[in-house]
Amino acid sequence: DGGITQSPKYLFRKEGQNVTLSCEQNLNHDAMYWYRQDPGQGLRLIYYSQIVNDFQKGDIAEGYSVSREKKESFPLTVTSAQKNPTAFYLCASSTPGLEGNYGYTFGSGTRLTVV
Amino acid sequence: GQNIDQPTEMTATEGAIVQINCTYQTSGFNGLFWYQQHAGEAPTFLSYNVLDGLEEKGRFSSFLSRSKGYSYLLLKELQMKDSASYLCAVLHDRGSTLGRLYFGRGTQLTVWP
Repeated sequence: DGGITQSPKYLFRKEGQNVTLSCEQNLNHDAMYWYRQDPGQGLRLIYYSQIVNDFQKGDIAEGYSVSREKKESFPLTVTSAQKNPTAFYLCASSTPGLEGNYGYTFGSGTRLTVV
Repeated sequence: GQNIDQPTEMTATEGAIVQINCTYQTSGFNGLFWYQQHAGEAPTFLSYNVLDGLEEKGRFSSFLSRSKGYSYLLLKELQMKDSASYLCAVLHDRGSTLGRLYFGRGTQLTVWP
């Protein structure tokens, strides 16, 4: 079955350490996205990539980095420069549908806690 | 810029009907999505509207008025399992942001027995 996989589900990090969150999809979707969710904040876009080897900053990119070397993979690195990294991170992928809508598929999320 | 507004919280009782409103102001529009999200889980797709009018899908319906920048999600015959956050999201239609979804903050619905 096609889908989008995020790992790990829970992640603990010490202050000052970088950590990488994995996101893999086998849906053959061109675009991939990383969102951060805090209580009462909805989903905020960190980075997105519309094609392999290309990506753009979203609304809250500071302290994060990404790469898109393969169509299937879009890992997110949370660096020590991110001041408040504890949050729920969601990865998504999309492709234009027959009606022009971009059907989004979400991963199950990674909850990152800085200890 | 993008501005998407929805109420923060709503409550209702089992068996009732609830309407969750969403207003938006965006520089480009290619449709509006509603998602349901239970705590700690991924959002799940409920509906997509790109033309004005009402789309009905079982107990859930969604309405769109593009001229008013307004949508609502209608939930009928509420069940306890409908307690969740409901996210309104606008799909962008132009340039480098083509295909981007802009989310509201979500409406936390609590259904009481």
